Amino acid sequence: DAKTTQPNSMESNEEEPVHLPCNHSTISGTDYIHWYRQLPSQGPEYVIHGLTSNVNNRMASLAIAEDRKSSTLILHRATLRDAAVYYCISLHAGGTSYGKLTFGQGTILTVHP
Amino acid sequence: DGGITQSPKYLFRKEGQNVTLSCEQNLNHDAMYWYRQDPGQGLRLIYYSQIVNDFQKGDIAEGYSVSREKKESFPLTVTSAQKNPTAFYLCASSIHRKETQYFGPGTRLLVL
Repeated sequence: DAKTTQPNSMESNEEEPVHLPCNHSTISGTDYIHWYRQLPSQGPEYVIHGLTSNVNNRMASLAIAEDRKSSTLILHRATLRDAAVYYCISLHAGGTSYGKLTFGQGTILTVHP
Repeated sequence: DGGITQSPKYLFRKEGQNVTLSCEQNLNHDAMYWYRQDPGQGLRLIYYSQIVNDFQKGDIAEGYSVSREKKESFPLTVTSAQKNPTAFYLCASSIHRKETQYFGPGTRLLVL
């Protein structure tokens, strides 16, 4: 699985958009980009994933660069409940790998009222 | 409602004692996983199972054991051989081994 790099922390104000970046310069053509978030003392929560095209769901949008070396998770209007650690993970879908999620340090998002 | 349950929420272990953490899912998922999380760190894979009666070691399996006798259940035993068991333990499941994983609420294990 490709190594991902994220900023240690970011801050936002409530009801403003948040763009969380992730670099994955060694990603292969069959690696999906997954985003999870984790609140204190809770299990990680799936947010969104994509391969090449931009993706939208009820929680967020995922913008993937054309060369796939980076991606951005977009929270359109941050709320206090969005304050969490956000993890960007590449998941190798080809070959015989079993789908292990490799969690790095993630980005701590602070949302100010 | 479908989901993953873990019990207990908190578990205390005495020195030299084996303890078992429960993980149950009613999502009809084939694959299940156990992760360990230490304070301020990401998750590390302990064991995973792609199908009933089959399981494989992850990155940090030493001192742990699992079983997968039923599709719905994947209990984790922390043995006395695990010298530093204090951590937050998370169970996850996915439809198949390379699909999106869904996590339970976790069990926090503390050593007395």
